[in-house]
Amino acid sequence: SQQGEEDPQALSIQEGENATMNCSYKTSINNLQWYRQNSGRGLVHLILIRSNEREKHSGRLRVTLDTSKKSSSLLITASRAADTASYFCARGFMDSNYQLIWGAGTKLIIKP
Amino acid sequence: SQTIHQWPATLVQPVGSPLSLECTVEGTSNPNLYWYRQAAGRGLQLLFYSVGIGQISSEVPQNLSASRPQDRQFILSSKKLLLSDSGFYLCAWSPGGETQYFGPGTRLLVL
Repeated sequence: SQQGEEDPQALSIQEGENATMNCSYKTSINNLQWYRQNSGRGLVHLILIRSNEREKHSGRLRVTLDTSKKSSSLLITASRAADTASYFCARGFMDSNYQLIWGAGTKLIIKP
Repeated sequence: SQTIHQWPATLVQPVGSPLSLECTVEGTSNPNLYWYRQAAGRGLQLLFYSVGIGQISSEVPQNLSASRPQDRQFILSSKKLLLSDSGFYLCAWSPGGETQYFGPGTRLLVL
C-alpha cells in the first residue's frame, strides 16, 4: 500500500506554542505537500517540498523531509487561534503524474 | 486568477434518488480535475480524476459516475443514492498534476 501515517491524530496546544505534525510514507515520492482544512471547508495548499529538498519555509511554517526515513514534519511556530484546523500531508509518487495519496490528517486545536 | 466553484453547498436526498454535483473552474484551461469524498474526521478518498474532456479515470467501483462535458466542468452523478453515499464531496483542480486547488465542497446527506 502507498498509504502512510500521520501523527498525532489530534494535537491541542496553547496559543503561542509551536505545533509539530509528522507524516510517514512507504514508497518513493516525487514530492510531499501539506494542506490545511478548516472545519467544513475545502483544503488549502500550504507548502510543497520535493524529494531532493530537505527543508522549506513559508512564513511561520517550516517543513522538513527526510527521504532516508521516509518522513516529513510540519512545524507551525508561535501558533494562533486561527491555526485551528486539520492538517493533511499528501504524497506525489514517481509512477503517477496525476494523483496524490492522502493521509488521515492531524486535528490541531489552539487554545486561547 | 483561477477560481473553482461547487454547488450545491448542502444537499439532503432520499435513498434511491439521483444525484448531480457540479464543479467548474475559471481562469485556466485544460486542468486536471478531481472528485474526492471525505468521511467525517477522515482523509480524502479519490473517486474520479480527469486529464481532459471525456477522459475519466475511476478509482473506486461504486454507484457513482463522473463526466467532463466541457474543459472546465466536472460532474459527479448517481442514478440511485445509497445511505453510504453520505459525506463531504470535494472537487479539485491541478495545473499539472502537483498542487491541487480545492472547491468549498458539498455536504451530502442521504436519508
